[in-house]
Amino acid sequence: GQNIDQPTEMTATEGAIVQINCTYQTSGFNGLFWYQQHAGEAPTFLSYNVLDGLEEKGRFSSFLSRSKGYSYLLLKELQMKDSASYLCAVKDSNYQLIWGAGTKLIIKP
Amino acid sequence: ETGVTQTPRHLVMGMTNKKSLKCEQHLGHNAMYWYKQSAKKPLELMFVYSLEERVENNSVPSRFSPECPNSSHLFLHLHTLQPEDSALYLCASSQEEGEAYNEQFFGPGTRLTVL
Repeated sequence: GQNIDQPTEMTATEGAIVQINCTYQTSGFNGLFWYQQHAGEAPTFLSYNVLDGLEEKGRFSSFLSRSKGYSYLLLKELQMKDSASYLCAVKDSNYQLIWGAGTKLIIKP
Repeated sequence: ETGVTQTPRHLVMGMTNKKSLKCEQHLGHNAMYWYKQSAKKPLELMFVYSLEERVENNSVPSRFSPECPNSSHLFLHLHTLQPEDSALYLCASSQEEGEAYNEQFFGPGTRLTVL
């Protein structure tokens, strides 16, 4: 079966750094996406990785290791507005998105 | 504002009612999706329409019936639902171009409660 694993919930402090991990087992791989979803709102696209390595976008970075079936989202200089759920999704061999259940990130002052 | 709108935002219905959810995308995309999002569960893909033809139906019960009259509009018709169908229903769109990467843009969702 296909599976995406991420922690259910994480807590971090404003101004700090947090790393959200995602491991996957899918039939094929055609890219990995990270989305952010604030409570009661639509998921919004954060990043895309298809090759191994780190992609940096401002305060957010995403890393991929295809051989390990592993990715992480790194958030720096945390702000209160970063409190949200972070969804990991993998595009499989049929180009269908397989979603994780999301990680709820709580930022404390 | 992602360019994908959904109505209504909230819906409460009885098990014998018939209602419809509407989605409209203003992005010129050629693919649209219906997802079900339940608490603490992964997004469940229900239907995919590409170029207005349904290409995916992930074993969704027949009490959910999609309709895609054109590339900008998508409906989900609901009838004789069950309480376990209560969830957030999300619509998304993307531009499908062969094997190219294509992020999905989501609407704000319809929060459905079945009594």
